[in-house]
Amino acid sequence: QVQLVESGGGVVQPGRSLRLSCTASGFTFSSHAMHWVRQAPGKGLEWVTVISYDGRNKNYADSVKGRSTISRDNSKNTLYLEMNSLRAEDTAVYYCARDGNYGKGAFDLWGQGTMVTVSS
Amino acid sequence: DIVMTQSPDSLAVSLGERATINCKSSQSILYNSNHKNYLAWYQQKPGQPPKLLIYWASTRESGVPDRFSGSGSGTDFTLTISSLQAEDVAVYYCQQYFSTPTYTFGQGTKLEIK
Repeated sequence: QVQLVESGGGVVQPGRSLRLSCTASGFTFSSHAMHWVRQAPGKGLEWVTVISYDGRNKNYADSVKGRSTISRDNSKNTLYLEMNSLRAEDTAVYYCARDGNYGKGAFDLWGQGTMVTVSS
Repeated sequence: DIVMTQSPDSLAVSLGERATINCKSSQSILYNSNHKNYLAWYQQKPGQPPKLLIYWASTRESGVPDRFSGSGSGTDFTLTISSLQAEDVAVYYCQQYFSTPTYTFGQGTKLEIK
C-alpha cells in the first residue's frame, strides 16, 4: 500500500526540541524529493522544508530556517524533521508529502499528519 | 517570494451547478522553455490531508473525476467543478512550484453547498 505515516508529534514546551518522522511504504522512497508542510489550527497550508531524493540538497521556509533540520534515511524509507527552539506559532499539524518529481512537480502523496502543540 | 492569492475566500454553490475558484500569482509561473505553468490545485476535506487534483495547471491527477478542470496561464488560473456534488465540499488550495525549491500556497477557498 502506497502511504506515508507521520509520528513524533505531541505537546512540547516553548524553547524545547522535537523530532518528527515519516515512514514511507509501497513506492521507491529513494527516488523522490520529500517535503514537510504544516497547517496551524483553522489556517491554511504552509510549506516548511524540502530534501532532495539523495539528501544532498535542502531548503527551508524563512519561518523555520536556522531552527529546523530535514534529513532522510533511504535505507529505512524514513524522513525526519528536527525542530529546535520551538515557539507557540509552530503549533500545527505537520504533514510529510512526496514530490511528484519532474513528471508532476506537485505533491502527489500526503500523510495523515502529526499534531505538534507548543505550550507551557 | 511569489504570492498566491485566491478568490473568493468562500463560495456556496447549488448541487449540480458550476463552481469556479480563481488563483492569481504575483509573477508569472509559466516556464517559457517547456511552456508549462508550475501550478497545482489541492482539495482538503475536513479532518483529512490535502489531495492533489491538478498539476501543470490543467493536468488532472489519476483518479480525479473529470468534472474537475484547471485552466489559465502566466499569472491567472481557475479551478472549475462543472457540476457540484455533495462530496466536493472542501477547502481548495492553489500552489506554485515555479520557484522551486521554495513553494507557496494560496490562502484557500472554502466551498459549500447552497
